[in-house]
Amino acid sequence: QQPVQSPQAVILREGEDAVINCSSSKALYSVHWYRQKHGEAPVFLMILLKGGEQKGHEKISASFNEKKQQSSLYLTASQLSYSGTYFCGTESNTGNQFYFGTGTSLTVIP
Amino acid sequence: DTGVSQNPRHKITKRGQNVTFRCDPISEHNRLYWYRQTLGQGPEFLTYFQNEAQLEKSRLLSDRFSAERPKGSFSTLEIQRTEQGDSAMYLCASSSLKGARNGYTFGSGTRLTVV
Repeated sequence: QQPVQSPQAVILREGEDAVINCSSSKALYSVHWYRQKHGEAPVFLMILLKGGEQKGHEKISASFNEKKQQSSLYLTASQLSYSGTYFCGTESNTGNQFYFGTGTSLTVIP
Repeated sequence: DTGVSQNPRHKITKRGQNVTFRCDPISEHNRLYWYRQTLGQGPEFLTYFQNEAQLEKSRLLSDRFSAERPKGSFSTLEIQRTEQGDSAMYLCASSSLKGARNGYTFGSGTRLTVV
């Protein structure tokens, strides 16, 4: 039931772009994206509700394909502050459980 | 609003002892979750409360774990007869409703070390 993310890790130079994918085996009500820095709690980035919408948050945006039960997070013109571990989180159509994905470690270097 | 508060921030205990953690969610949030996170892993779902009712509990949760939310406000997570494998960060999160536009707000967590 845990969503699977890819890639597991990515290293970028400042200014480069990245895409992180999240795939679930369950029908989804919503997909969330969080960023967690070492030793800190996850911080909410954005939520996408079923309907195939795409949202943006500064230079970070995401899409949600509810038919495929997949979401992608797009980071453009990466900054050093983007470093951290990114998790997707999913709410299914039924039930109240909220599952975090397997995580993607993102490192931005100068 | 001061966000989600968790206490204590750190707890070191001897194997076999009982420990209790507290979570104070955002006051208007009726949905409260507990997660466990070990190094390099994503948060693992433990249990979910809607107001004072515990509606979901992970099948992975042993009987040594119990959680309460007596008045639908703060929540406690108790671990009895702690084992070294219980060492982890325990995170609490709250939200106002399913699909809430502000997502889930997490506390800073309680780091448990069992020696």
